[in-house]
Amino acid sequence: GAVVSQHPSRVICKSGTSVKIECRSLDFQATTMFWYRQFPKQSLMLMATSNEGSKATYEQGVEKDKFLINHASLTLSTLTVTSAHPEDSSFYICSASYQDRDSYEQYFGPGTRLTVT
Amino acid sequence: GNSVTQMEGPVTLSEEAFLTINCTYTATGYPSLFWYVQYPGEGLQLLLKATKADDKGSNKGFEATYRKETTSFHLEKGSVQVSDSAVYFCALITGGGNKLTFGTGTQLKVEL
Repeated sequence: GAVVSQHPSRVICKSGTSVKIECRSLDFQATTMFWYRQFPKQSLMLMATSNEGSKATYEQGVEKDKFLINHASLTLSTLTVTSAHPEDSSFYICSASYQDRDSYEQYFGPGTRLTVT
Repeated sequence: GNSVTQMEGPVTLSEEAFLTINCTYTATGYPSLFWYVQYPGEGLQLLLKATKADDKGSNKGFEATYRKETTSFHLEKGSVQVSDSAVYFCALITGGGNKLTFGTGTQLKVEL
């Protein structure tokens, strides 16, 4: 299957600083990428849908000024957590969609563990 | 709206036991159905999928059949291994949409 990478895999930052997480589709072009947040022992919560070259669409309750999403190319989307606080500590997962005439699939990255101290 | 309901975990089994994880759904239209697996500390991997009624998805000994009449997509495996220990997510997507709707996940623990 297709490969989606995330970088970094783990990051620790201090309160008030900003952190950028990269999501790349390595062997296909993804017009749409998704950012999820996962709390311990819970399901994935969709934060936003990112389309190349346009503004991201945020889910209800997600602060767009705090979670900045940029989708600069068909293979790269970034999530920047601005002015991070301890409650932003979580596991962030991206995915990239691939669609052809016969099927639709989302391929997930390995996730980024963010810890804010 | 769309929703996915999974059986609550954790499910604890002995190695070589039979596994069933129930999944039912509510959706507008005719969804495609997926099972994803998440190993500890990792992202999600697609395990199997089915795109229309009566389709059977299968992979690595796991199977699930798309049952339109019961709106179900139960995951089964005849003989689980310790390495199958993970969290399993049932999900759906409806035609024309691009957002996956996930169930809450079911943790499976397989013991020797």
